Amino acid sequence: GENVEQHPSTLSVQEGDSAVIKCTYSDSASNYFPWYKQELGKRPQLIIDIRSNVGEKKDQRIAVTLNKTAKHFSLHITETQPEDSAVYFCAASEGGSYIPTFGRGTSLIVHP
Amino acid sequence: NAGVMQNPRHLVRRRGQEARLRCSPMKGHSHVYWYRQLPEEGLKFMVYLQKENIIDESGMPKERFSAEFPKEGPSILRIQQVVRGDSAAYFCASSTRTANTGELFFGEGSRLTVL
Repeated sequence: GENVEQHPSTLSVQEGDSAVIKCTYSDSASNYFPWYKQELGKRPQLIIDIRSNVGEKKDQRIAVTLNKTAKHFSLHITETQPEDSAVYFCAASEGGSYIPTFGRGTSLIVHP
Repeated sequence: NAGVMQNPRHLVRRRGQEARLRCSPMKGHSHVYWYRQLPEEGLKFMVYLQKENIIDESGMPKERFSAEFPKEGPSILRIQQVVRGDSAAYFCASSTRTANTGELFFGEGSRLTVL
């Protein structure tokens, strides 16, 4: 089955800095890569996703890049704000099953 | 649209008791997923169901755990004879599984504590 590794487990930045979270996956059949944000005590919510036919996708201050050859994908957050503080999960799934396998999460702390 | 509704939000059980967690998917969603989350760990897939069918239960322990999604009513995750290691947050998610999106919509979770 799929295995998703996520790094770092904790990331502390100053407000206004950029943050990068990296994930690798093992199953070359995976073709859908969502990112979820989970605030403390809340439900995970999708913030951005990318498919394997696209190398990069951007939505305002967040962007995701995908390298299919190396089987890794990354989340980039620019101009971080305190409200970006949360746990971020990457995931990978094969298009036929759409059952995402999640990474262990990255706790992002943005200091004002 | 009320979103994915889970209840109870918090459940306390003693070892050996049964826990029943309920999940009502978003309106129009016929696919339900259950995930377990332990502190400092990610979301571990347990089971994927459609109405009246278990599609994939590869992540669910073979003993003591069962899930259903009846034609009418919510999906239920049932844990029999709970042990302390079952203490976790259990998240339900639903989706439409259309060709254009694989987004899962999560509930707020049910936090099970086993004494």
